[in-house]
Amino acid sequence: NAGVTQTPKFQVLKTGQSMTLQCAQDMNHEYMSWYRQDPGMGLRLIHYSVGAGITDQGEVPNGYNVSRSTTEDFPLRLLSAAPSQTSVYFCASSSMATNEKLFFGSGTQLSVL
Amino acid sequence: ILNVEQSPQSLHVQEGDSTNFTCSFPSSNFYALHWYRWETAKSPEALFVMTLNGDEKKKGRISATLNTKEGYSYLYIKGSQPEDSATYLCALNTGNQFYFGTGTSLTVIP
Repeated sequence: NAGVTQTPKFQVLKTGQSMTLQCAQDMNHEYMSWYRQDPGMGLRLIHYSVGAGITDQGEVPNGYNVSRSTTEDFPLRLLSAAPSQTSVYFCASSSMATNEKLFFGSGTQLSVL
Repeated sequence: ILNVEQSPQSLHVQEGDSTNFTCSFPSSNFYALHWYRWETAKSPEALFVMTLNGDEKKKGRISATLNTKEGYSYLYIKGSQPEDSATYLCALNTGNQFYFGTGTSLTVIP
């Protein structure tokens, strides 16, 4: 099993550019989510989804869009990148069972110049 | 925004020492409490998911306890080994959202 696959691993953008971070899971998980990791801060939830066609905002959603057209895929879109979005991004998925853990992707290191 | 706090921020111990960390969370929003182990250049991996007050979980030399009434969880490592060196994260699950602490960085000195 591939688990949670995140691409790309590294990306450099110029301010104002747009891009999509890809996340796919092959575990038939209903729940998928995106986090950002910044120095001195815990992982912060950007957006999450509890199933195809359903998305909701997390703690830090501004500047990011998501969609969930299939159970497997949950892309994160930066519409107009800003230097404040320089961060490491993680995708994670889980079944919706109460005691189920999160499975994380390998992360994307994004720099916005 | 819920505040999940972990202490200490970092810890250096000698090989063979036992150690413990604390995770504090607001008990009013509790659904589950997660512990993750995060090694450098890797992704977080789950250690425990606890849901009931008084829960105790164990995995080898690592164990965890949960007190949902007072809003804290302890993670214990018995007889620390160099391979235990990592950052240990706790996360409060409020249903659909996860709130992570900033982690405790453990270094085990051979």
